[in-house]
Amino acid sequence: DAGVIQSPRHEVTEMGQEVTLRCKPISGHDYLFWYRQTMMRGLELLIYFNNNVPIDDSGMPEDRFSAKMPNASFSTLKIQPSEPRDSAVYFCASQQTIHQENTEAFFGQGTRLTVV
Amino acid sequence: DAKTTQPNSMESNEEEPVHLPCNHSTISGTDYIHWYRQLPSQGPEYVIHGLTSNVNNRMASLAIAEDRKSSTLILHRATLRDAAVYYCILRDGANFGNEKLTFGTGTRLTIIP
Repeated sequence: DAGVIQSPRHEVTEMGQEVTLRCKPISGHDYLFWYRQTMMRGLELLIYFNNNVPIDDSGMPEDRFSAKMPNASFSTLKIQPSEPRDSAVYFCASQQTIHQENTEAFFGQGTRLTVV
Repeated sequence: DAKTTQPNSMESNEEEPVHLPCNHSTISGTDYIHWYRQLPSQGPEYVIHGLTSNVNNRMASLAIAEDRKSSTLILHRATLRDAAVYYCILRDGANFGNEKLTFGTGTRLTIIP
């Protein structure tokens, strides 16, 4: 398996524009997590899904952020409109299950977002 | 969420063992102790996890105190590639809806050649 695949790797956009980040989890994984990492706040969990259903979105910073998982092999994180303070590295991670011994989460390489 | 406390930074010489401590005095009975690390410009990667007993894998060993209020990640022979930020995380392994993997500030490990 190619692992968790995120696209794009880098995104530069102007303030006010819509940004869509994409994630393809590892096949067969039931859980998908979206994180944001900044120097000031470290790694923050934004939202996670189980079997395509959002379970906890309490980390989503505001209404400008939305995430969807239309099927088991694809998820998007959308920011509309984007602001300079959204500049960060966004990571997607997937995991097969958490209630058994094999509970390793696999992370993608991240998308570095710069909003100017 | 149960909290963990780690030193902000540590240094170690190459080819020597490294012991990374983590305190988690409020750990609950269903919390697993997980360790992840993040190499520069990469996403976090899993290192090891355990519940009560000490654990070994190809990357590291995890020593868990008998009262489970602290643990130590052991890298047996550090290489330059082990320079990373190491995160100690408690994760509920029993209750649906509490599966979030919450990262703290971690320990930045520097390896001295």
